Amino acid sequence: QLQLQESGPGLVKPSETLSLTCIVSGDSFSSSDYYWGWIRQPPGKGPEWIGSIYYGGSTFYNPSLMSRVTISLDTSRNQFSLKLSSVTAADTAKYYCARAHYRTSLFFRHWGQGTLVAVSS
Amino acid sequence: DIQMTQSPSSLSASVGDRVTITCRASQGISFYLAWFQQKPGKAPKSLLYSASSLESGVPSRFSGSGSGTDFTLTITSLQPEDFATYYCQQYNLSPPTFGQGTKVEIK
Repeated sequence: QLQLQESGPGLVKPSETLSLTCIVSGDSFSSSDYYWGWIRQPPGKGPEWIGSIYYGGSTFYNPSLMSRVTISLDTSRNQFSLKLSSVTAADTAKYYCARAHYRTSLFFRHWGQGTLVAVSS
Repeated sequence: DIQMTQSPSSLSASVGDRVTITCRASQGISFYLAWFQQKPGKAPKSLLYSASSLESGVPSRFSGSGSGTDFTLTITSLQPEDFATYYCQQYNLSPPTFGQGTKVEIK
């Protein structure tokens, strides 16, 4: 059974880079069938898609965050990562990693449990 | 970006009630709409996709309808475990976008 688990610091200082990793288990990570994505949810608000990566390494990002986001893949470790630079308090949110099937690449059926990241000095 | 507007933002209902939540897209999205249920502290859980297709394991009291710009999620005979926040999400065009949520509370 597919499991996605986010990990990373729960507190990041303003202007620094937020770095999170998602470890995937229970299913093939190197399959061409899937996109892997990051989604965040500020407290009390709806989710916001950050970006996605395909198994071959191609990425696409939300234009609102594109200048600050990098998503990468490490197939040898069954994981993918998110880096968000120059963070501010507005980046405080619960961050989720998720999986989408290639046929509906923007629909994330499977989500991790999420990790809360606060931006504060 | 396509804006997704849900109504109402919250509602109070009793066990056994029929509940309807609407979602409107700022432009046509065909049937590329999903509904998620989220309970406090948990990740959103997919209930329906393609506007009306029920996910495996989701009770049949949940149903969805609509296409284009107007969509509906209906819960017939609300159960105690259904009290949660519901989100719609379009996946027709990038970036995928979510509604602001509808909180279903106990009356």
